[in-house]
Amino acid sequence: SQQGEEDPQALSIQEGENATMNCSYKTSINNLQWYRQNSGRGLVHLILIRSNEREKHSGRLRVTLDTSKKSSSLLITASRAADTASYFCATEDTGNQFYFGTGTSLTVIP
Amino acid sequence: EAGVAQSPRYKIIEKRQSVAFWCNPISGHATLYWYQQILGQGPKLLIQFQNNGVVDDSQLPKDRFSAERLKGVDSTLKIQPAKLEDSAVYLCASSGYLDTGELFFGEGSRLTVL
Repeated sequence: SQQGEEDPQALSIQEGENATMNCSYKTSINNLQWYRQNSGRGLVHLILIRSNEREKHSGRLRVTLDTSKKSSSLLITASRAADTASYFCATEDTGNQFYFGTGTSLTVIP
Repeated sequence: EAGVAQSPRYKIIEKRQSVAFWCNPISGHATLYWYQQILGQGPKLLIQFQNNGVVDDSQLPKDRFSAERLKGVDSTLKIQPAKLEDSAVYLCASSGYLDTGELFFGEGSRLTVL
């Protein structure tokens, strides 16, 4: 399967703490993206990091990419209850096809 | 800018019946994707269109699933006959900016097969 894997599968933290989730993938990529999905809703794009980049920031989000290890991490700082959702990494291959990971379910406790 | 529209939002059918899902992408988006998301899993690509041509349908179960994109705009995904394991959310996404690579998703169509 071309689908990536994420860990942990589930993460529960207190509001104000940082949340870190990891993604591993298998093939060469153009870029890696992170998406968020609230229960019963579609996915929403959060951040994109290109294959030649190592780190990127957007607001409270920080994403890293290690192409030698085929892995990425997403850090959400100062988490809020509204951050409760599932988070997916997606890799875009050279054919502009997107493959999603298995997801991390994040619960932020107020 | 209107988002990706999908219908119906929910559908319940008996196994061996047929069902069709409709997607209207964001205006001007050339690339359209159908994903299947089984509960607790990540989305799995079923088919990708570039305008009205198929780019990748390698994971589409062609004995029961079919999809078309008429005139390079709206798309329909059909399942006939449905099996119990087809119970899932069917997500449509579109992309018009290959240099940014961002996908825009609809709210999905939740299928329950009894």
